[in-house]
Amino acid sequence: AQSVSQHNHHVILSEAASLELGCNYSYGGTVNLFWYVQYPGQHLQLLLKYFSGDPLVKGIKGFEAEFIKSKFSFNLRKPSVQWSDTAEYFCAVNAGANFGNEKLTFGTGTRLTIIP
Amino acid sequence: DTEVTQTPKHLVMGMTNKKSLKCEQHMGHRAMYWYKQKAKKPPELMFVYSYEKLSINESVPSRFSPECPNSSLLNLHLHALQPEDSALYLCASRPIWGVANYGYTFGSGTRLTVV
Repeated sequence: AQSVSQHNHHVILSEAASLELGCNYSYGGTVNLFWYVQYPGQHLQLLLKYFSGDPLVKGIKGFEAEFIKSKFSFNLRKPSVQWSDTAEYFCAVNAGANFGNEKLTFGTGTRLTIIP
Repeated sequence: DTEVTQTPKHLVMGMTNKKSLKCEQHMGHRAMYWYKQKAKKPPELMFVYSYEKLSINESVPSRFSPECPNSSLLNLHLHALQPEDSALYLCASRPIWGVANYGYTFGSGTRLTVV
């Protein structure tokens, strides 16, 4: 079974600082990787996803993530954060499959607080 | 229509009540999911429906009863819940055949409080 670790539980940054949130997964086969954001009181929104191809994935709102297969990692980055990026960030993984009944497993989440 | 719609947005129910949560999508997705999210925790999978058939039940107590009456609709029937079942219940959907590499679309959830 797959699992996901997010070691940063709470990250506090000033506006314009650079961001990197860690995500490591555990699974021996092909995986699909996701980053979701949940703004306070709102639903989950997909930031970006990786299925195959270029390991550097660009998403919405200036976020990007790099898949490093040898390290089982999929870290999220943003060169310059804004106050509006304050939210909970979840890394998620599912085992690569062509069926709809696969399981999406979330990490424990990282709370990001941006100080104006 | 690119949304997953969940109703109601908020629900307060007593431990002896029977209520239902509803989830609807019109994107032609044939995989639908129920997740439970407690405060400050990640979503946890409860059920997966694939082509309107239950394909995964993550050992959820029987007081939660899912139903998929058609390809656009997913219900979660609730009966005799406990206060610890209070949580945000999220519905998600995803395409299946030929488009495996699509992300999941989540609804905004139903915030359930059991009193």
